[in-house]
This record gives sequence, structure tokens and C-alpha cells, in this order.
Amino acid sequence: TQLLEQSPQFLSIQEGENLTVYCNSSSVFSSLQWYRQEPGEGPVLLVTVVTGGEVKKLKRLTFQFGDARKDSSLHITAAQPGDTGLYLCAGGIIADSNYQLIWGAGTKLIIKP
Amino acid sequence: DAGITQSPRYKITETGRQVTLMCHQTWSHSYMFWYRQDLGHGLRLIYYSAAADITDKGEVPDGYVVSRSKTENFPLTLESATRSQTSVYFCASSTLGAGGYTFGSGTRLTVV
Repeated sequence: TQLLEQSPQFLSIQEGENLTVYCNSSSVFSSLQWYRQEPGEGPVLLVTVVTGGEVKKLKRLTFQFGDARKDSSLHITAAQPGDTGLYLCAGGIIADSNYQLIWGAGTKLIIKP
Repeated sequence: DAGITQSPRYKITETGRQVTLMCHQTWSHSYMFWYRQDLGHGLRLIYYSAAADITDKGEVPDGYVVSRSKTENFPLTLESATRSQTSVYFCASSTLGAGGYTFGSGTRLTVV
């Protein structure tokens, strides 16, 4: 069974602080995607990383794919209330000749003004 | 408008009833997916489709039926709803299975 563990499950911090969310597995993924989900809405894709060691930046968000493509991190600098949401990572694998996503359980992030 | 549309947004049904959740996408994406999202379980794949007339089971298919006669539509039917099927259901699409997924806004289904 493929597992993708996210940590922490819940994080509540003050505006302006930095934070890092982790996504770990014992499996190797062909890609790793990060999504943000707001209450009452579906997840929205933030970024896809495909190369081991790859780093992508999206304004104050920095995403990194582990060298071995088994883990990933999301770092937010100077968090703002608008960053509040559920952050989901999803790892891509090939199974039964089909590409599938393995989902983490999510990190609920609350940024307090 | 372009996008992926789910209907209804909210549905309350009785145990044993058949209910169909609709999903329509305007991008002609090949892949479409149905997920359910529950506290403590995250997103779980129910069924997916790689193209019209091609569907396959996901992680939790029991009690659900799908069809895909047209590329743009992927309805999900609960043949005889049970309380355990109370959940938020999301439809998603992707150009290729390896691409990022685009999700609908979800259907919150309550089975009483």
C-alpha cells in the first residue's frame, strides 16, 4: 500500500511567521503535486515538481522535491491570513499501466492576524 | 464558462434511494475522477475514467456506478444510498493522468 504522510496535521501560527509542511513516503514518485483547498471548495493545484531536488517558488511559497523523489516540503515565508487553508500533497505513480495520484491526508493551516 | 461543474452542490437523500451526482467539464480533458472526502480519511478515489467509455475502479468503488458516454460528462450514481456514503464528493479532470488535476466545487451529500 502506497502511503504519503503529511506533517503536521494542523498548524496555527501568527501572521508574519514562517512555516514548513512536510510530505514523506517510502515510495518513489514520478511527480509530486501540492494543492490548497479552502472551505466549501475543491483543491486547487499550486505546483507540480518532477525532478529530484527540484525547487519551485510561488511568491512566498517554496516547494522542494527530495533528491530521491520520496518526499517534499512546502515552506511559507511571512505567512499571511490569506494562506489559511488545507494543504494537500499528492504523489504520482504508475500502477496497472495508469498514472495515479496518492494523496496525503492534508495539513490544516490557520494564520492568525 | 469554462471549467468543471458539479451538481447539485448540496443533496439530502434517504437511505435506499438512488441518487446521481453530475460532473461536466469544458476542457475536453481525457481523464476524469470521482473522489470522496471525509474527515480522517482525506481524499479517496472512487472511480476514474481515461476516456469516453473507459472507466475503472478506484480505492472505494463499492455502492457506486459511473458511466462516461461523452468526454465531458462523468456522472456518479449511488444505487442504494447508505448513511456511510454521507460525504463531500469531488469530481476532477486532467489532460493526462500525469497532469495536475482540476477539481469541481464538490457536492455535499447527506444520507438520512
